[in-house]
Amino acid sequence: AQRVTQPEKLLSVFKGAPVELKCNYSYSGSPELFWYVQYSRQRLQLLLRHISRESIKGFTADLNKGETSFHLKKPFAQEEDSAMYYCALRDMEYGNKLVFGAGTILRVKS
Amino acid sequence: GAGVSQTPSNKVTEKGKYVELRCDPISGHTALYWYRQSLGQGPEFLIYFQGTGAADDSGLPNDRFFAVRPEGSVSTLKIQRTERGDSAVYLCASSLIASGGQETQYFGPGTRLLVL
Repeated sequence: AQRVTQPEKLLSVFKGAPVELKCNYSYSGSPELFWYVQYSRQRLQLLLRHISRESIKGFTADLNKGETSFHLKKPFAQEEDSAMYYCALRDMEYGNKLVFGAGTILRVKS
Repeated sequence: GAGVSQTPSNKVTEKGKYVELRCDPISGHTALYWYRQSLGQGPEFLIYFQGTGAADDSGLPNDRFFAVRPEGSVSTLKIQRTERGDSAVYLCASSLIASGGQETQYFGPGTRLLVL
């Protein structure tokens, strides 16, 4: 079965420190991976997708098929990065539903 | 333009009652999804519509849950004989599949359902 695992419920870092939010997945086919973010009192929104291979708000994520991982990284955390982050996998074998991890709260302290 | 909207934003009901949750997708979006998010969990898929038809309803937990999208736009999620375990945030998302198969799901603010 498709599964997305985010091992950390909470990650707390100081402003300016590097950030790495971990995501591992299990999927039988070729996955499409995403990171979604939910800021306080806002709706869930797409941060980035692996296909685009772009940097959004200083965040990047590389799909590692060998390790089945899609970790989210940023070299220097900012206070406005504090939010809930969800890793998600698009299940292209059975419609287009997203399979989400449980989420990681990122707290950036000043 | 306007994003996905959901009504009501909050719903409190008693065990055994019937509830309807409404989703207005982004205009022109052909795909519509319902997810359920329990406390401390990520969103879990319930059902996916392509146009008016349910293309995948494999996530509906049991036959108390039903959803419709009669005109290919607004969708209603219906829950019969509600149970306390149905308490959750119900999220709706819509999308337009772009050329090359890329798709971005845009989420609504959710309806927070509490069953007493």
